Amino acid sequence: DQQVKQNSPSLSVQEGRISILNCDYTNSMFDYFLWYKKYPAEGPTFLISISSIKDKNEDGRFTVFLNKSAKHLSLHIVPSQPGDSAVYFCAASGGNRDDKIIFGKGTRLHILP
Amino acid sequence: DTGVSQDPRHKITKRGQNVTFRCDPISEHNRLYWYRQTLGQGPEFLTYFQNEAQLEKSRLLSDRFSAERPKGSFSTLEIQRTEQGDSAMYLCASSLVWGGTEAFFGQGTRLTVV
Repeated sequence: DQQVKQNSPSLSVQEGRISILNCDYTNSMFDYFLWYKKYPAEGPTFLISISSIKDKNEDGRFTVFLNKSAKHLSLHIVPSQPGDSAVYFCAASGGNRDDKIIFGKGTRLHILP
Repeated sequence: DTGVSQDPRHKITKRGQNVTFRCDPISEHNRLYWYRQTLGQGPEFLTYFQNEAQLEKSRLLSDRFSAERPKGSFSTLEIQRTEQGDSAMYLCASSLVWGGTEAFFGQGTRLTVV
């Protein structure tokens, strides 16, 4: 069973516009959520995280929104830049109760010139 | 410290052979994770350690897979009697303390079983 779902395998966005990547989860015990970025032949790189006690966390061009009632989170990148082209993974953990990190399948983001 | 280090970066082996991978985490990190990633999929959890204690092993993981972290520092992942389906990227990650800190990944070991 897939506990973290990224239903869009790919997304294309014009440079300078907003990129919105979506993620849904099924396990209500998750209380910490992360986004990772991955380039080919490299390991995932941490981008931004959010605790379940918050509904928004912002770091520069990256903002993560969490809607606990809908079990949904999203990553907003504004403005999108060519270097943002990569695969983005949504991930979640249960915090201290069960803190292994579970990943979604990823969304490939293409930033168009 | 330059981050999580994995060795080797690439491994080609014949079916039926045993392979062992090594992961050196960031020095002060006490959590260490192993993941496997295949094409088009996200990292799949295999196992993780708190210091030298193995906290959990994925129930999807065959008995051919074993991991150790003998002194709470580096870790090894061994695959016995490799199969073609074991071909994947094997990723290691470490974190300082969970409940708020992210896990840092190494560059992975690409295994090809021929």
